[in-house]
Parts: sequence; structure tokens; C-alpha cells
Amino acid sequence: SQKIEQNSEALNIQEGKTATLTCNYTNYSPAYLQWYRQDPGRGPVFLLLIRENEKEKRKERLKVTFDTTLKQSLFHITASQPADSATYLCALGSGNTGKLIFGQGTTLQVKP
Amino acid sequence: GAVVSQHPSRVICKSGTSVKIECRSLDFQATTMFWYRQFPKQSLMLMATSNEGSKATYEQGVEKDKFLINHASLTLSTLTVTSAHPEDSSFYICSARDPGQGNSPLHFGNGTRLTVT
Repeated sequence: SQKIEQNSEALNIQEGKTATLTCNYTNYSPAYLQWYRQDPGRGPVFLLLIRENEKEKRKERLKVTFDTTLKQSLFHITASQPADSATYLCALGSGNTGKLIFGQGTTLQVKP
Repeated sequence: GAVVSQHPSRVICKSGTSVKIECRSLDFQATTMFWYRQFPKQSLMLMATSNEGSKATYEQGVEKDKFLINHASLTLSTLTVTSAHPEDSSFYICSARDPGQGNSPLHFGNGTRLTVT
């Protein structure tokens, strides 16, 4: 069955460092992958989308890579700030339905 | 940007009663909306796809008679949890995307925390 794995352990880093989060998947060939941010008690907020034919996408301090051979995406936040503390979800999709399968998320804690 | 409004944000109900949750797209028309459920520290699990003017499509293992979905207009979908039980207590989140944009991001509501006592 389709499976998406994100590191369930919280990631703690110091302010100013680069945070790297991992998303691995199996038994799936997504056409695209998206990253969302979720704060406690709130709905997810879209951050970045990367398509299967793209290797890397950037947006301000965020960078996403997508390796369809390794079946892995990496999500980087450079110059991290305490305000970046949240849970980050990866989601995979294919086709035109808009239907997404989510990973369980990784909680990032940036310490001042 | 596109906004999805969900109401209520929190609801507490007694076991055996029914609860209705509303999801509205505020500045775009959504022919399709998605309902998710999220347990603490777990992933969002897709429950059903709500289609305007037609029946919802439910994911495997989701009881359609328990979780009634109505999508009567292009801006409103409702989820009714019927005969709620304590195990239905969860965080329910709706989402929608602009139509015609196949892989565009989902816009999520802020969720409804349901507690069944």
C-alpha cells in the first residue's frame, strides 16, 4: 500500500541554522509533491509545490528537492527563526483530482 | 489569496447526537471539496471528496451513513456526524482548490475540534 514517511521525532535546531526535513514514500508515483505548514489547532497552510520533472524549487528561505529515483523530498529552511516553529507536512498527489495523501508531519522547534 | 472558512471551530456534544460542520469557499467557487480527519500527532486522513451537485465519494473504511456530506452550492459543503460517539472525537478539516488547476494547492479551513462526551 502507499506509504509516506516523515521523521516523527521533533527536530530541534538553533536560530539561524538550516533546518532539513525529509519525506520518503513507497508504492507510489506522484505527479507532484507539496509541503504545508500546520500550527497547533489550525488547518495546514500551503508552502511549496514541486512537480515530478522538477529537481528543486525555491521560495524565499525555503527550498524543496524532489528525487523520484530515491522517492524522497527534502525541505530546507535556511536562516531559521523561532517563528518557523511548527509542524511541516508533505503531501503527494497525482492526476487531476486534487486528492492528496499526507505524511504524518515533522515538528520543528527553532530555539532563540 | 483564496480563503476557506470552517464553522464551528469547536463543538462539544453528547453521545448520540448529531453535529453539522460547514465549509465555505469565500472568494472562489469550489466544485470539489475534501474532508479530512486528524487525530493527535497523526496525519490528515482523507474521509471523502465532496462534489457539488452529486454524491460524495468516500474513502475506504469511512461510513457514508455516519458522515453525511452535502455540497449543495459551489461555495458550501457540510459534514454531519450522525449519532456521534466518543470515538468520533477528532479534528475535522475541510479543504478546497480553485477549479481548473489540476495540481494547485489545497486551501484549508481552520478545522473543527469535535468532542463527544
